[in-house]
Amino acid sequence: GQQVMQIPQYQHVQEGEDFTTYCNSSTTLSNIQWYKQRPGGHPVFLIQLVKSGEVKKQKRLTFQFGEAKKNSSLHITATQTTDVGTYFCAGEVAGANSKLTFGKGITLSVRP
Amino acid sequence: NAGVMQNPRHLVRRRGQEARLRCSPMKGHSHVYWYRQLPEEGLKFMVYLQKENIIDESGMPKERFSAEFPKEGPSILRIQQVVRGDSAAYFCASSPIPGETQYFGPGTRLLVL
Repeated sequence: GQQVMQIPQYQHVQEGEDFTTYCNSSTTLSNIQWYKQRPGGHPVFLIQLVKSGEVKKQKRLTFQFGEAKKNSSLHITATQTTDVGTYFCAGEVAGANSKLTFGKGITLSVRP
Repeated sequence: NAGVMQNPRHLVRRRGQEARLRCSPMKGHSHVYWYRQLPEEGLKFMVYLQKENIIDESGMPKERFSAEFPKEGPSILRIQQVVRGDSAAYFCASSPIPGETQYFGPGTRLLVL
């Protein structure tokens, strides 16, 4: 079946450092979505990427969809303590009844 | 516009009891998705429903689990004869049409003693 992989599962950075994480799918996706979950909270939608090579920015966050639509990246510039949480990518395959396949997520901690 | 609502937020059950989890989608959303999250794991798709129809239940365990989304009222995920391994956070999400952004509820944390 379809797999979405996020490695590593944990990353620790010093406040102010940049952070990049990657998401890889075993199959071509119709779109990829990113969510953020704070400890004890629920996933909150961040962005959806649809087009091959698409790049979207949200303040200090930059999201990119790979040319082959099988991978994606999230880059955070100058991390802040408010960036802590678990970032999930979720891929949707065309014709799959809008079923999202989530990666295991990467938990980011930021040292002040 | 109220977001996705789930209740209860926390549920404690003893082994063998039944658990009923409710989800009210956002106003105007007719598509509901249920996910299960184990500690330190991602979200696992369970079932996708539209009003009165199960569209995709490929992630549902074959036994003890069922879901419905009636014409009136919330969607319900029902777990019969719970076991300790059912302890998890159960999230539902809704969207206005398939392929649109899914908005998640706060989840129900189920603990089976």
